[in-house]
Amino acid sequence: EPEVTQTPSHQVTQMGQEVILRCVPISNHLYFYWYRQILGQKVEFLVSFYNNEISEKSEIFDDQFSVERPDGSNFTLKIRSTKLEDSAMYFCASRVPGFYNEQFFGPGTRLTVL
Amino acid sequence: GESVGLHLPTLSVQEGDNSIINCAYSNSASDYFIWYKQESGKGPQFIIDIRSNMDKRQGQRVTVLLNKTVKHLSLQIAATQPGDSAVYFCAERVYYGGSQGNLIFGKGTKLSVKP
Repeated sequence: EPEVTQTPSHQVTQMGQEVILRCVPISNHLYFYWYRQILGQKVEFLVSFYNNEISEKSEIFDDQFSVERPDGSNFTLKIRSTKLEDSAMYFCASRVPGFYNEQFFGPGTRLTVL
Repeated sequence: GESVGLHLPTLSVQEGDNSIINCAYSNSASDYFIWYKQESGKGPQFIIDIRSNMDKRQGQRVTVLLNKTVKHLSLQIAATQPGDSAVYFCAERVYYGGSQGNLIFGKGTKLSVKP
């Protein structure tokens, strides 16, 4: 069964460093999302991406964040200068076109900022 | 504002019993609702969904009930099994022009099944 994959599973970085989190959405999906989950808290929307551009973004997704689909398979989230409060699980999700189609989530990347 | 905490509501049930997990959603304009299951160290996994024009939907061992009057969603799991132990999140989607369907998640309920 096709699934969303994410790498790395765990990323440790120093405050102020740049990180890139990678996702490979399911191949026929066209809508892509990033969410994050701070330990013990709920999942929060960051950004949605369609047709090679950002569709929506939350207040969390400030100028330090960017997303890119560099090729036909990868979808990346870049944090330019990490802060301690960026420590969280980051989930990528994707879905097919169609208004009532579920989003499939990847296993997540745990980001730890020291 | 919302409360932020490290402690999730917990529901503890005996194996074989039925479980009911509740969720209050926030926006009366939400048109689509999903229940997700999240096991430790994994991403949310789709369980069942319901559109706002329905009040009940059944899947295999699971039923979702939607009460739009009080903005309440529930997930019923029949004959709960140890493998059902996880955190369960409800998620809502608010439709507006140009929306790509980003989800708003609830706080989650931890289901613990005792063998």
